[in-house]
Amino acid sequence: SQELEQSPQSLIVQEGKNLTINCTSSKTLYGLYWYKQKYGEGLIFLMMLQKGGEEKSHEKITAKLDEKKQQSSLHITASQPSHAGIYLCGAGGATNKLIFGTGTLLAVQP
Amino acid sequence: KAGVTQTPRYLIKTRGQQVTLSCSPISGHRSVSWYQQTPGQGLQFLFEYFSETQRNKGNFPGRFSGRQFSNSRSEMNVSTLELGDSALYLCASSGGGGFTYEQYFGPGTRLTVT
Repeated sequence: SQELEQSPQSLIVQEGKNLTINCTSSKTLYGLYWYKQKYGEGLIFLMMLQKGGEEKSHEKITAKLDEKKQQSSLHITASQPSHAGIYLCGAGGATNKLIFGTGTLLAVQP
Repeated sequence: KAGVTQTPRYLIKTRGQQVTLSCSPISGHRSVSWYQQTPGQGLQFLFEYFSETQRNKGNFPGRFSGRQFSNSRSEMNVSTLELGDSALYLCASSGGGGFTYEQYFGPGTRLTVT
């Protein structure tokens, strides 16, 4: 079965710094979701990447999908306290049955 | 457009009881998926319903069941609750299947079993 590994597991950055979170799959990635979660709350949809080489941006967050490396990266530029939370990647292939990574906990220090 | 709503938001039950959770998807969405999130196991897929039919199922015991109504609202039921069922239960709605459609999650129901 497919597994998703996220790195790093946790991250503390100073406000204004850039950061990158990686999501690596044990099998071919046919598409990938990125979500953000505040502790104990629901998942906030960030982006969905559908094909290799695709890159999407929303405000200061950019995500890329590298099909050959079976990897996706999420990059935050000029981080703000509002970016703090748990970032989760999810993959599901042709179905809505998503497998999720273990998450990356991001803290942004003012 | 209203987002995905889940009720109740918090629930405390006793071991052995049963519980029903409800999920109302985004208007026009026909797919509802349910997930269990625990600190130890992370997010795990329970099942998906599409047009009132279960389309996908995860690896959970038969105590976990669900259904979907003609208006796409979905309920999940857990019978004979165990302490290990304490978790955040999340539902997600989508317009269809696979990566053509985005999946949006609700705020979750926090279930505590004592």
